[in-house]
Amino acid sequence: AQSVAQPEDQVNVAEGNPLTVKCTYSVSGNPYLFWYVQYPNRGLQFLLKYITGDNLVKGSYGFEAEFNKSQTSFHLKKPSALVSDSALYFCAVRDYTGANNLFFGTGTRLTVIP
Amino acid sequence: EPEVTQTPSHQVTQMGQEVILRCVPISNHLYFYWYRQILGQKVEFLVSFYNNEISEKSEIFDDQFSVERPDGSNFTLKIRSTKLEDSAMYFCASGIAGGYNEQFFGPGTRLTVL
Repeated sequence: AQSVAQPEDQVNVAEGNPLTVKCTYSVSGNPYLFWYVQYPNRGLQFLLKYITGDNLVKGSYGFEAEFNKSQTSFHLKKPSALVSDSALYFCAVRDYTGANNLFFGTGTRLTVIP
Repeated sequence: EPEVTQTPSHQVTQMGQEVILRCVPISNHLYFYWYRQILGQKVEFLVSFYNNEISEKSEIFDDQFSVERPDGSNFTLKIRSTKLEDSAMYFCASGIAGGYNEQFFGPGTRLTVL
């Protein structure tokens, strides 16, 4: 069975400070991992994905994520947070051998404090 | 930039009534999905659709649910006899291909069943 855990419902960070949003996953095979962001009254927007290769992937708006196979984690990071980064962040996974549908975490609300 | 659109943004219905949620996927995409998110819970997969047929569905997608791509542009989700527990945000998504390709989400339709 595939699953995703986002252990923090809420993350607060000061503007200009680095941010981390945590995600761990469970799949039976090799994972495809995704991060999406949701702004109020908007759909989920794709940020970045890990398929294979380099464990550090870079995405939109200066975000990056590090795949760690031994810890089954895929934490989202940004070196310097902006107030405009405040949103709801979702981690998602699918097993590359399985169906195309994504399994999502419960989401983490990021608040960047000016 | 092309987007997935959904109508209506909010639908209120009485228990037992039929509802149809509409989506216009991105025009050159071939894979289509419906997900839902009950308030405060994770985003859950309902169904995927490819080549004019359902390719995968979850246990949530029972006989009360159906999907259709009636005219080559719209993608609809029908709930035949709504229940209180169907109240949720319903997201449509599309992708140019399956596998590791990202899915693009619409803004969602909030369904409220009274």
